[in-house]
Amino acid sequence: KAGVTQTPRYLIKTRGQQVTLSCSPISGHRSVSWYQQTPGQGLQFLFEYFSETQRNKGNFPGRFSGRQFSNSRSEMNVSTLELGDSALYLCASSPQGQETQYFGPGTRLLVL
Amino acid sequence: AQSVTQLDSHVSVSEGTPVLLRCNYSSSYSPSLFWYVQHPNKGLQLLLKYTSAATLVKGINGFEAEFKKSETSFHLTKPSAHMSDAAEYFCVVSIYNQGGKLIFGQGTELSVKP
Repeated sequence: KAGVTQTPRYLIKTRGQQVTLSCSPISGHRSVSWYQQTPGQGLQFLFEYFSETQRNKGNFPGRFSGRQFSNSRSEMNVSTLELGDSALYLCASSPQGQETQYFGPGTRLLVL
Repeated sequence: AQSVTQLDSHVSVSEGTPVLLRCNYSSSYSPSLFWYVQHPNKGLQLLLKYTSAATLVKGINGFEAEFKKSETSFHLTKPSAHMSDAAEYFCVVSIYNQGGKLIFGQGTELSVKP
């Protein structure tokens, strides 16, 4: 089976812009979670989607949003980018009823 | 609340010597615990997981971890380090009844000297 894929792999944006990141889960996985990784804060949970519904949300401002499509692919959007949003954004998928998550390679976002 | 603490931010070993990466957890419930590894500029790879079936868990690449409830620990070990083991390792707990949310430790960077 193909693993979790994320596009794009690298992005450079400027402050105030918005960005959309995409994640395709492992075939058959219906749960998709997003995480932000920074040197200062480590890995932090953003949100999780299952069957097109957001089930859990972390402590991030409303500028961070996401959605999931009927084929389980997911997108996350960050509006009004700030310098502090520079990070590696990781997506993970898991099979229904299992806690184990399988991660993609991440999208590295640089905000200038 | 559930949390994990990795006791060392950096561990350095020589190739061929044992590896010990320490992790303590806090949980009101019987936790599900994981170790993930992240090589530079890569995503996270699952090394092993504990889900109450057995206290000694074997993972990939010769790693194993032992769940000790009395000590609330889940330390990762490997008998003999290899240069390719150099990476960052994360101890992770799954939040009870909140599927899809993992809590990560701060990570331990493992260096392997030739």
